[in-house]
Amino acid sequence: DIQLTQSPSFLSASVGDRVTITCRASQGISSYLAWYQQKPGKAPKLLIYAASTLQSGVPSRFSGSGSGTEFTLTISSLQPEDFATYYCQQLNSYPLYTFGQGTKLEIK
Amino acid sequence: EVQLVQSGAEVKKPGESLKISCKGSGYSFTSYWIGWVRQMPGKGLEWMGIIYPGDSDTRYSPSFQGQVTISADKSISTAYLQWSSLKASDTAMYYCVRRLNGCFDYWGQGTLVTVSS
Repeated sequence: DIQLTQSPSFLSASVGDRVTITCRASQGISSYLAWYQQKPGKAPKLLIYAASTLQSGVPSRFSGSGSGTEFTLTISSLQPEDFATYYCQQLNSYPLYTFGQGTKLEIK
Repeated sequence: EVQLVQSGAEVKKPGESLKISCKGSGYSFTSYWIGWVRQMPGKGLEWMGIIYPGDSDTRYSPSFQGQVTISADKSISTAYLQWSSLKASDTAMYYCVRRLNGCFDYWGQGTLVTVSS
């Protein structure tokens, strides 16, 4: 099974900061990686798919990069509404679409 | 507008059976895979399995194989997740999701299942 490891698990940052979250796969997954944002009490929301394609309606301050085993999600300038938990997910290993353990982004 | 609308919260006792639902609208229900994701209290997302409503082809994560059953009724654009004998450890929020190529683009609002004696 493909394992996904996100780092860090917790991140404290301020409004306006640039933050980066990393997702590492235990084996190559090409570009079959998606990123989701989840706010408390809400369903996750798709941010990025195919490693770097921004979902329609998602602000351009979000970006994704990487391929193979290492991927990053970057928020260029944190806004108050961005404080949430972020998950990566691989869709290379059909039908075992594993998630990373999550990264909780908190206000400093 | 694409929507996945899930059935309401459930409170059950250990050993009871349960079937929760996810109704799709605003798109061709038979043309997209529908999956299920578990989120236990305070924990992360876990992939459970997926079904193609067009022909009911179903695949499970090994962690959930034999523990749950995923099905669909394409005549009413509804997917289901069911348990034959609930355990306390099944207490969680369950989300249905629509699979687009390379991602899950739409999520249901979630169904909270509480299993307690």
